[in-house]
Amino acid sequence: EDQVTQSPEALRLQEGESSSLNCSYTVSGLRGLFWYRQDPGKGPEFLFTLYSAGEEKEKERLKATLTKKESFLHITAPKPEDSATYLCAVLPYMDTGRRALTFGSGTRLQVQP
Amino acid sequence: SAVISQKPSRDICQRGTSLTIQCQVDSQVTMMFWYRQQPGQSLTLIATANQGSEATYESGFVIDKFPISRPNLTFSTLTVSNMSPEDSSIYLCSGGQGESTDTQYFGPGTRLTVL
Repeated sequence: EDQVTQSPEALRLQEGESSSLNCSYTVSGLRGLFWYRQDPGKGPEFLFTLYSAGEEKEKERLKATLTKKESFLHITAPKPEDSATYLCAVLPYMDTGRRALTFGSGTRLQVQP
Repeated sequence: SAVISQKPSRDICQRGTSLTIQCQVDSQVTMMFWYRQQPGQSLTLIATANQGSEATYESGFVIDKFPISRPNLTFSTLTVSNMSPEDSSIYLCSGGQGESTDTQYFGPGTRLTVL
């Protein structure tokens, strides 16, 4: 069974204090790993897709990296507007062509000014 | 990317009634999905909405409780039937191109409260 574990559950940072969020996964074969941002009362907003170990993607203050067992979302010099819940999801290889994502429980990030 | 809208955005319903949630995508998508997100928790997949055929349901979800329609490549509905307070949740739809890209884009969600 596919599993996704995110840590920490919650993280409070001061503005400008860089940190990393972790996403550990267990899947029979990884087709892709996804990061989303979710603001309260809204649907998840797509951030990154990573397909192979060693791959990195960047967007503004965020950088996502991937190994064979986990992914990190690095936040450099965060601002209060980066406060949100960050969700990680995996898509396994399936002979059936199934494309359903398995989500982790998320990390709630709060950045204080 | 795809822009997805949902209606209604929220509703308060009585026990035993049914609610149909609509999901509209601004472009044709191969895959559409319905998720449930209970307060403070992550997303759980309810079913994959297949165009022209029956939806594929995940373990713990059944067609009689959550009937789904997908009449074309831009639209789907989810009905929550015979509701109970345990059905209070946020219901989200997502869409993706499937084989050409695995990325799924999400709608804003429908917040359902059952009294």
